[in-house]
Amino acid sequence: EVQLVESGGGLVQPGGSLRLSCAASGFTFSTYWMSWVRQAPGKGLEWVASIMQDGSEKYFVDSVKGRFTISRDNAKNSLYLQMNTLRAEDTAVYFCARDLPSCYGGSCSWGHDAFDVWGQGTMVTVSS
Amino acid sequence: QSVLTQPPSVSAAPGQRVTISCSGSSFNIGNNYVSWYQQFPGTAPKLLIYENNKRPSGIPDRFSGSKSGTSATLGITGLQTGDEADYYCGTWDVSLSAVVFGGGTKLTVL
Repeated sequence: EVQLVESGGGLVQPGGSLRLSCAASGFTFSTYWMSWVRQAPGKGLEWVASIMQDGSEKYFVDSVKGRFTISRDNAKNSLYLQMNTLRAEDTAVYFCARDLPSCYGGSCSWGHDAFDVWGQGTMVTVSS
Repeated sequence: QSVLTQPPSVSAAPGQRVTISCSGSSFNIGNNYVSWYQQFPGTAPKLLIYENNKRPSGIPDRFSGSKSGTSATLGITGLQTGDEADYYCGTWDVSLSAVVFGGGTKLTVL
């Protein structure tokens, strides 16, 4: 079964740090772009960051640039989100998600336009 | 303010058809595939439509997607009470180098 399981959420003070983890199983993790998407309480979805298969290319939403780092360990089938200098507005459920490539005639491209597998989410609360 | 614009809510009676719009620009919808997600309270989003109009395995054909220019539409026919959920559109924005989502639409089946 294809599965993503997040962990590492919790309560942290403003200015603090937290590291989220996402354990992948049931698919060849090293062949997929992976992403983090968050959802503040009562709000909509907000993409946070994405990372290429070998970690050489990364993208971040402007609001977390310089504060968050995305990384992966393909040997451990794991995705990470290191969150530093946390703010109250970072409070959200953080989802790990698998990017869906577009494949035609045996060739695939990555448009970063769809996520086909999601974890259950982990809650991060930034409050004093 | 979301980059993609969706109506906050839509409603229709059981058995009827409803459409949810998603409006963007040439930087996002106009030049990229659009995806749609269904989310029930307290659960993770679920992919309903990808590449504008394709359904993942297991998604009933009551759900359909289309795109024209800088707008996309999700259609749901034969509405059921179990379709009551939040629906989001998403795509890649080339000017922002970012994935962007609509603000979400709450579907009520009266």
